[in-house]
Amino acid sequence: SAVISQKPSRDICQRGTSLTIQCQVDSQVTMMFWYRQQPGQSLTLIATANQGSEATYESGFVIDKFPISRPNLTFSTLTVSNMSPEDSSIYLCSVDKSGGLTDTQYFGPGTRLTVL
Amino acid sequence: AQKITQTQPGMFVQEKEAVTLDCTYDTSDPSYGLFWYKQPSSGEMIFLIYQGSYDQQNATEGRYSLNFQKARKSANLVISASQLGDSAMYFCAMREGNTNAGKSTFGDGTTLTVKP
Repeated sequence: SAVISQKPSRDICQRGTSLTIQCQVDSQVTMMFWYRQQPGQSLTLIATANQGSEATYESGFVIDKFPISRPNLTFSTLTVSNMSPEDSSIYLCSVDKSGGLTDTQYFGPGTRLTVL
Repeated sequence: AQKITQTQPGMFVQEKEAVTLDCTYDTSDPSYGLFWYKQPSSGEMIFLIYQGSYDQQNATEGRYSLNFQKARKSANLVISASQLGDSAMYFCAMREGNTNAGKSTFGDGTTLTVKP
């Protein structure tokens, strides 16, 4: 497995502001993903964070709203920009350590965001 | 069509009894992995068990076992000897090896409540 940490663990923010979430893994991993889980809902993939290149975004998510960085194989950030109450969610970082496309994904502890 | 279907929004089980959480999936990819995750109220996604599409035997991990019926495209989670700490949301997920670029698809989840 992989040890994954996220910062912050939770935050309460005002609308119109931005928050950057950090994800740190204890070893180099091939694939890193960012998910959003709105209250009472399942997980929705925001984007795949690619090392050294632009992230690959899913339908409905755009770089201007959710810029992502991945400067190396152990670290990534997700920024939630110009926040509104609809952005209140748990944001989860996930990694695939092996690079095998059917292998287990492991998740960080999540960042619980509330936007007022 | 949904790729992962969990038909039980909520389940109740008596402490020390076994419970089965249902999951059916839809894919034409011969190579895929199936996963179960537990999400307690803290929000963390905890990996429980994995089944590969080419695995001949059903996966087991302690009190968790996966009843894999490939022809029926079902991957039910069986929890034996339920404990109060098993009360949580449970998600079934799939990764396809040749399609979808290794991204996971999640079901809507089942909320399990263990009664003393």
